[in-house]
Amino acid sequence: NAGVTQTPKFQVLKTGQSMTLQCAQDMNHNSMYWYRQDPGMGLRLIYYSASEGTTDKGEVPNGYNVSRLNKREFSLRLESAAPSQTSVYFCASTGDLVSYEQYFGPGTRLTVT
Amino acid sequence: KQEVTQIPAALSVPEGENLVLNCSFTDSAIYNLQWFRQDPGKGLTSLLLIQSSQREQTSGRLNASLDKSSGRSTLYIAASQPGDSATYLCAVNNAGNMLTFGGGTRLMVKP
Repeated sequence: NAGVTQTPKFQVLKTGQSMTLQCAQDMNHNSMYWYRQDPGMGLRLIYYSASEGTTDKGEVPNGYNVSRLNKREFSLRLESAAPSQTSVYFCASTGDLVSYEQYFGPGTRLTVT
Repeated sequence: KQEVTQIPAALSVPEGENLVLNCSFTDSAIYNLQWFRQDPGKGLTSLLLIQSSQREQTSGRLNASLDKSSGRSTLYIAASQPGDSATYLCAVNNAGNMLTFGGGTRLMVKP
């Protein structure tokens, strides 16, 4: 089991460029999440998908779009990157509807210049 | 809106010490609370999860307690080791699906 995987690991973009961050899990989990982590601010939820076919906004959704492609995959798209989106992005998933314990991927480090 | 605070932001201790990390939250109507460990440049590893009906959870040298009424949780690490050096994050689950994170405590255990 690979758990939660994310690609790419690192990315540098110029302001205005677009890109898609990919996330996949092989644990048959229903719910998936995208967070960003900025120094001194902990992790903040961008979007989540409670189940295949549904997505909902989190705390900081502006400037992002998501797609729940199937049960395994949940992608995050930046249509027009801005320097304020420089961050580390984490994908997570959960399949336990009692504990909702979340499992995290290794992260994507994004720099927007 | 739930707010989660972790104090101290950084902590340095000699090897072998027992230590306590603190987490406080403003809305006591929580579903559960999770403690994570994060190594530099890595993702998050779940350490302990405490349901709202529980008072504590233990795993090896780690013990996490929860006092919902006062909005506090502590992570106790016994006999600290250099390998425990990492950032420790607490996260509160209010709605059964969404986590609110604290800013973390960066721990350094010196040999």
